[in-house]
Amino acid sequence: DIVMTQSPDSLAVSLGERATINCKSSRSVLYSSYNKNYLAWYQHKPGQPPKLLIYWASTRESGVPDRFSGSGSGTDFTLTISSLQAEDVAVYYCQQYFNTPQTFGQGTKVEIK
Amino acid sequence: EVQLLESGGGLVQPGESLRLSCAASGFTFNTYAMSWVRQTPGEGLEWVSSISTGGASTYYADSVKGRFTISRDNSKNTLYLQMNSLRAEDTAVYYCAKDQTWEVPHYLNYWGQGTLVTVSS
Repeated sequence: DIVMTQSPDSLAVSLGERATINCKSSRSVLYSSYNKNYLAWYQHKPGQPPKLLIYWASTRESGVPDRFSGSGSGTDFTLTISSLQAEDVAVYYCQQYFNTPQTFGQGTKVEIK
Repeated sequence: EVQLLESGGGLVQPGESLRLSCAASGFTFNTYAMSWVRQTPGEGLEWVSSISTGGASTYYADSVKGRFTISRDNSKNTLYLQMNSLRAEDTAVYYCAKDQTWEVPHYLNYWGQGTLVTVSS
């Protein structure tokens, strides 16, 4: 199984400041034939279902604010919130869908400092 | 508008069974793979199972293999999860999710609100 490890487990950021979450996979999730990274990011708020933010490592889902961006390739990926808003308080997960079983990172809790 | 509505959760004792349902609407159900993902109390997200468009191919996490069965009724636009021999560690909120394509695995672009399963004596 591909193990997904996120860092940090939690972070507190001031409103308007940048938040950066890292995700490392135990094996590459880059499918070289398609040149695509099989990596997604989700936002999960209490009492709500998870929401897809980013797929193919860097493609923003429709309707997601452009302050959210994804980057990275192979085994190392980053989710960046460029200017943290109060409504961004949530737990964020990366997911690899390169192979079965698809696996999630342990989650990173983002709070307001 | 895509909607996924889970039902069937509840409180059961260890060793008992439960069947979850997920009623789908707003998309052509039989052209997408579907999945179940759970969140255990205080823990993160764990993929449980996925099923191909026609139901011929099914996939399971090792933690539920042999105990859970995923199925779908495309005539009713409904996804199911039959859970047998339930254990305390199966206690979680279970989410039904729509895969992005017919392929498994894939990213999950729509999720239901979830249904709580509690296994306790």
